[in-house]
Amino acid sequence: EADIYQTPRYLVIGTGKKITLECSQTMGHDKMYWYQQDPGMELHLIHYSYGVNSTEKGDLSSESTVSRIRTEHFPLTLESARPSHTSQYLCASSALRDRGRRGSHEQYFGPGTRLTVT
Amino acid sequence: DQQVKQNSPSLSVQEGRISILNCDYTNSMFDYFLWYKKYPAEGPTFLISISSIKDKNEDGRFTVFLNKSAKHLSLHIVPSQPGDSAVYFCAASEVRGGSEKLVFGKGMKLTVNP
Repeated sequence: EADIYQTPRYLVIGTGKKITLECSQTMGHDKMYWYQQDPGMELHLIHYSYGVNSTEKGDLSSESTVSRIRTEHFPLTLESARPSHTSQYLCASSALRDRGRRGSHEQYFGPGTRLTVT
Repeated sequence: DQQVKQNSPSLSVQEGRISILNCDYTNSMFDYFLWYKKYPAEGPTFLISISSIKDKNEDGRFTVFLNKSAKHLSLHIVPSQPGDSAVYFCAASEVRGGSEKLVFGKGMKLTVNP
């Protein structure tokens, strides 16, 4: 079983507030990702990291920022939340090599954070 | 332009019958394909995958078929069970600029009726 955690699970917040979505994994994975998903739509990659102090923007433009100071921790921050940021945010991780039956292509997902900005 | 397409938004089948979920892709550089299952209020969980050099992979009740010439893959679930009711995402892996990324379809909601 994958051990990747996200907090909070649900967040309702007012416009203009600063928020940080937490993501942690205990598998020692080098790669971590943030996706944004709206109902009935595909997952869009917004940020990824291949290791400590490495972060890159994904395919979907996002006003959020990320940091990777520790291998296991990949928080996402919105400096000033807006209603357009309302979405589900999913964190994932993957290994360069996985000795289990799954290959390095597989990403393990956290439970997600459902963000609503009013 | 969507590179991974799941054209049917939903499918309903009877328990014990076969469920067939389809996925089409446009990028011939994809080298690995995966299926994920997602329950409401949870993150996607990996189900099964297939390398682009294969045409079939089986794991218990789940089989994925890949037709490279048609750029089409399908997930077969036999026999279907009510617990299989979920949204299923097709995903494809590509290496671009030294980075490996997954591209997801929009998902298909499967309902298995008892």
